[in-house]
Amino acid sequence: KAGVTQTPRYLIKTRGQQVTLSCSPISGHRSVSWYQQTPGQGLQFLFEYFSETQRNKGNFPGRFSGRQFSNSRSEMNVSTLELGDSALYLCASSGDSKRETQYFGPGTRLLVL
Amino acid sequence: GENVEQHPSTLSVQEGDSAVIKCTYSDSASNYFPWYKQELGKGPQLIIDIRSNVGEKKDQRIAVTLNKTAKHFSLHITETQPEDSAVYFCAAAGGTSYGKLTFGQGTILTVHP
Repeated sequence: KAGVTQTPRYLIKTRGQQVTLSCSPISGHRSVSWYQQTPGQGLQFLFEYFSETQRNKGNFPGRFSGRQFSNSRSEMNVSTLELGDSALYLCASSGDSKRETQYFGPGTRLLVL
Repeated sequence: GENVEQHPSTLSVQEGDSAVIKCTYSDSASNYFPWYKQELGKGPQLIIDIRSNVGEKKDQRIAVTLNKTAKHFSLHITETQPEDSAVYFCAAAGGTSYGKLTFGQGTILTVHP
């Protein structure tokens, strides 16, 4: 099976812009979780989607949003980018999410200038 | 919410030695504890996981132990090899929290040939 794929892999934006990142889960997986990874804060949970519904959300401002499509692919959007949004954004997929293994993609490296 | 503490932050061993990384968690409802290995430029890769109905699990050179009473779990790597050098993360999940892994801060493991 193909693993989790994320596009784009690298992205440079300027403050105030918005960005959309994409994640394709492992075939058959219906749950997609998003994480932000920074040197200072480590890996932090953003949100989780299952069957096109957001079931859980982390402690991030409303500028961070996401959605999931009927084929389980997911996108996350960050509006009004700030310098502090520079990070590696990771998505992970699982069959269901409470206790099942999450498999991570390679991430999208976002740099905000 | 859940809080996961991980120690040590860096660990340096000689090839062939054992390495132990320890984590504690705060939420007694957590019941799933995965360990991930992250190499430079890659997403976290699951190396082993344990559920709360099991006290120990082994997979070749890697083992994880769980003490539910004390709320701590540990990763043991025996006969370390240079290719084991990476950042290791512990995480906790469970209860009613969908799709959310709470991660420790990571351990940079360096195995010297």
